[in-house]
Amino acid sequence: EDQVTQSPEALRLQEGESSSLNCSYTVSGLRGLFWYRQDPGKGPEFLFTLYSAGEEKEKERLKATLTKKESFLHITAPKPEDSATYLCAVQAYQFYFGTGTSLTVIP
Amino acid sequence: DGGITQSPKYLFRKEGQNVTLSCEQNLNHDAMYWYRQDPGQGLRLIYYSQIVNDFQKGDIAEGYSVSREKKESFPLTVTSAQKNPTAFYLCASSPAGGSPLHFGNGTRLTVT
Repeated sequence: EDQVTQSPEALRLQEGESSSLNCSYTVSGLRGLFWYRQDPGKGPEFLFTLYSAGEEKEKERLKATLTKKESFLHITAPKPEDSATYLCAVQAYQFYFGTGTSLTVIP
Repeated sequence: DGGITQSPKYLFRKEGQNVTLSCEQNLNHDAMYWYRQDPGQGLRLIYYSQIVNDFQKGDIAEGYSVSREKKESFPLTVTSAQKNPTAFYLCASSPAGGSPLHFGNGTRLTVT
């Protein structure tokens, strides 16, 4: 069965405390893996696309990596404005979404 | 600026009434989607359309209907047959396979 699992469900970090979010997936025929940021009451905002194992993408304090079974979103020296829910999605025949990791960065 | 516009942001309805959620995009994307988001659950696909005048059911289509008369527009009707309609509804579009979805800012529907 195609599915996407994100962990942890929630993460609290002190400002400056680096960490990683995990997205593991089991799909046949991966066409792309996508990371999104979602703020309360808003739609998901696209962050990164990864297509093949070994690929990495970076944007400010965020870096996304991909292996054959999982992806990591690394957050380096986070700031309070990084607080949000981070969603992972994979596209095979259709899009499959994880339930997200709720990140809180404490000043 | 290109994007997806969903309206209204908040919608309140009485049980037994049909309600239509608007979704308009000016990104010139062929594919459009409707998702439902509930706390603690991943986004669930309601309907999608890859071309004008054609659409397919997603995983939770029962109690919903759509139309795709124009490339830019993909309205969703939540009918009285939908047993648990209170939710956050997200519209998205995509240019092609392997490309990310672009989302609107959602409509929060409350049915009492």
